Amino acid sequence: KAGVTQTPRYLIKTRGQQVTLSCSPISGHRSVSWYQQTPGQGLQFLFEYFSETQRNKGNFPGRFSGRQFSNSRSEMNVSTLELGDSALYLCASSQEIHTEAFFGQGTRLTVV
Amino acid sequence: GIQVEQSPPDLILQEGANSTLRCNFSDSVNNLQWFHQNPWGQLINLFYIPSGTKQNGRLSATTVATERYSLLYISSSQTTDSGVYFCAGGNLYNQGGKLIFGQGTELSVKP
Repeated sequence: KAGVTQTPRYLIKTRGQQVTLSCSPISGHRSVSWYQQTPGQGLQFLFEYFSETQRNKGNFPGRFSGRQFSNSRSEMNVSTLELGDSALYLCASSQEIHTEAFFGQGTRLTVV
Repeated sequence: GIQVEQSPPDLILQEGANSTLRCNFSDSVNNLQWFHQNPWGQLINLFYIPSGTKQNGRLSATTVATERYSLLYISSSQTTDSGVYFCAGGNLYNQGGKLIFGQGTELSVKP
């Protein structure tokens, strides 16, 4: 069974640009969550989606948005990139909201 | 919201030694996982353990939900155990699947 797949693995963007990251969950999993990891703040929750609906949102500015498609794949978008958005972005999937979460390999975003 | 405190922040061991990592929660959790982050950044699942005790080879974990803490035991450590260990918890009733992570324990096992 394939694991959680995140694309791209690495990304370099310029300040002010926008970026879209993709996450394909484990087959049969309906819940997808996103996390940001930085050296200063550690791992922080961004959003949680279930059945195409955002169920929970972390404390991030409106520049961070996401969505989930009918096949459970999810995307997150960051607009007007800032240097501080440089981070490892991790996606997790679970069968249901209340079950074990499995993480992808992450997308490492560098903003220059 | 829930706060998660992990200890110790750093740990250096000789190969073959045993260790105990601890995770304290500021509020009750009913969703708790332990992870090992590999050098490439991926979080590898170790245990899903909202309560009780589980074992997987040289690793075992115990969660005492009523006292709001969890322990991860590593026995006969190997150099491949090196890396950062995270615990993460949440409350399914009021936070859905959101996980709050501790700051991690960085383990270094020397040959």
